Amino acid sequence: DAGVIQSPRHEVTEMGQEVTLRCKPISGHNSLFWYRQTMMRGLELLIYFNNNVPIDDSGMPEDRFSAKMPNASFSTLKIQPSEPRDSAVYFCASSLVGGSNTIYFGEGSWLTVV
Amino acid sequence: GQSLEQPSEVTAVEGAIVQINCTYQTSGFYGLSWYQQHDGGAPTFLSYNALDGLEETGRFSSFLSRSDSYGYLLLQELQMKDSASYFCAVSPSGSARQLTFGSGTQLTVLP
Repeated sequence: DAGVIQSPRHEVTEMGQEVTLRCKPISGHNSLFWYRQTMMRGLELLIYFNNNVPIDDSGMPEDRFSAKMPNASFSTLKIQPSEPRDSAVYFCASSLVGGSNTIYFGEGSWLTVV
Repeated sequence: GQSLEQPSEVTAVEGAIVQINCTYQTSGFYGLSWYQQHDGGAPTFLSYNALDGLEETGRFSSFLSRSDSYGYLLLQELQMKDSASYFCAVSPSGSARQLTFGSGTQLTVLP
């Protein structure tokens, strides 16, 4: 079975540009999470969805960040405008509510804002 | 909110046993999970404890004491491939999968 698929794997962009990260969760999973990882702050939960509905977005750092999940097989995390401090690895993860207590991470999107 | 404490680095030799401790403070608690992450890779699930006691999965075991807000991951018969970062993570009440992660422990296994 395919795991969580993220794109792009690597992105370098200039400050002020819009960045869109994409995620396809594992088929059948009904929870989706966006995490950010940096050396300074570790792994931070940004937002999570249950059945395509955002449940908790308290981790979204500011209004420049937005996330959508238009259907069960696709989610986006958008940063507009991007800033150098947004440079990080962004992980998407999915799990099945009512299943095991495991969440499955994608390989991450490595973002560098210059 | 939640906060977790774990050592930043641990070094051990092949074949040895190592224990990575995790203490936590949470406003609500559902369970303690452990994840492994190799450099540049995705975190992968190792174990989960919701109740006090020891859970064993092959060479890895995890322990939880809810009364002490404490858990540990025990790695036995260490192999070079075990060199990685290990994260403990807590789930707040009501959501086993909404995880807050510790800062991670970098384990280096020496030959």
